[in-house]
Amino acid sequence: EVQLVESGGGLVQPGGSLRLSCAASGFTFSSYVMHWVRQAPGKGLVWVSRISHDATSTMYADFVKGRFTISRDNAKDMVYLQMNSLTADDTAVYYCVRDFNHDVDHWGQGTQVTVSS
Amino acid sequence: DIVMTQSPLSLPVTLGQPASISCRSSQSLLHGNGDTFLSWFQQRPGQPPRRLVYQVSKRDSGVPDRFSGSGSGNDFTLKISRVEAEDVGVYYCMQGTHWPPGFTFGQGTKLEIK
Repeated sequence: EVQLVESGGGLVQPGGSLRLSCAASGFTFSSYVMHWVRQAPGKGLVWVSRISHDATSTMYADFVKGRFTISRDNAKDMVYLQMNSLTADDTAVYYCVRDFNHDVDHWGQGTQVTVSS
Repeated sequence: DIVMTQSPLSLPVTLGQPASISCRSSQSLLHGNGDTFLSWFQQRPGQPPRRLVYQVSKRDSGVPDRFSGSGSGNDFTLKISRVEAEDVGVYYCMQGTHWPPGFTFGQGTKLEIK
């Protein structure tokens, strides 16, 4: 069974940093592109970042470029999102999702990030 | 950038009655490989999204057959033949054809029981 388990969320002050982690299991992690998608309170789903199966290629939404960095460790079946210079607008549930053939086929449960003083 | 527009945004439905959600894209979602990457997701209250339909009309494993997807090009529809109480939640369409800018979601349609 495919499982994606996010961790690392929490309360952080504006301008602070946080590193999210996603532990994958139940599939050959190194074969799959992975993404982060977020959802602000009461709002819709927004794609944040993508990393290729071998970590050679990354992509970011414009609103996080230069602030967020996606990475992965295929030896540990983990994907990460380093978030710097956080603002209140980054407050959201962050989901780790698996890409299959131009689509999202599995979601984690999400981790809450709250940016507030 | 590609824009996904859903309607209605709120959908009150009587139990046992049909429901229909429209999703329109600002560009055709037909990929160069001949596939169309339009999916539908259901998000129940307090839960992560769950995919119901992919490539316009293919139902995911375990999804009840009362859910069906249709459409082509720029115009897509998710239909529920007979709404049940467990169908309450928000439904999103998503395109995966055009990269960048990345997966693009519709605004969501909130289905509630009348």
